[in-house]
Amino acid sequence: LAKTTQPISMDSYEGQEVNITCSHNNIATNDYITWYQQFPSQGPRFIIQGYKTKVTNEVASLFIPADRKSSTLSLPRVSLSDTAVYYCLVGGPRDDKIIFGKGTRLHILP
Amino acid sequence: GAGVSQSPSNKVTEKGKDVELRCDPISGHTALYWYRQSLGQGLEFLIYFQGNSAPDKSGLPSDRFSAERTGGSVSTLTIQRTQQEDSAVYLCASSLGKYQETQYFGPGTRLLVL
Repeated sequence: LAKTTQPISMDSYEGQEVNITCSHNNIATNDYITWYQQFPSQGPRFIIQGYKTKVTNEVASLFIPADRKSSTLSLPRVSLSDTAVYYCLVGGPRDDKIIFGKGTRLHILP
Repeated sequence: GAGVSQSPSNKVTEKGKDVELRCDPISGHTALYWYRQSLGQGLEFLIYFQGNSAPDKSGLPSDRFSAERTGGSVSTLTIQRTQQEDSAVYLCASSLGKYQETQYFGPGTRLLVL
């Protein structure tokens, strides 16, 4: 399993773009990178997943450099409702354990 | 369609009692996961099922914890002789296949051991 490192917390303002970077230096060839969002008193919710380069969906973008040792979740024009904990997961089909880590607490200010 | 459901939603028990937590995954999802989340903490992985089989049970915190899955569907997490440190939210998730498939989480069971 690839260990991940994320900032513990981040603050930003409404309307700003927020970038959360996750380090995963020992990522394996078959590993994917997945980001989840968790609001208080709810289970995590899938945001985006990627393997390399850039992935974009209606919610976010995921940037993965060529060496894949890190990834950056980009949230465009955040609002107060984006205040949540964001988890970066790295793993592949051979993994029988899932490591969510401590996540990044994102606080959006008005 | 129905999502992942868990029951009970809340459980208060006395130290030393046994509790059973239930998870109903999304129909057709072959993979099922159990996690524990203490207040203000991240998710702690407990166990993963592919079908009815759990390849690795080492994530269970102690031998008081056990889990089973029957018919490739419903799963039960049992905690015997509960302790106060078992108090947490127990989350279940399911996915179509293995890791790279999106995990869909249930609302969780909030367990309080007095």
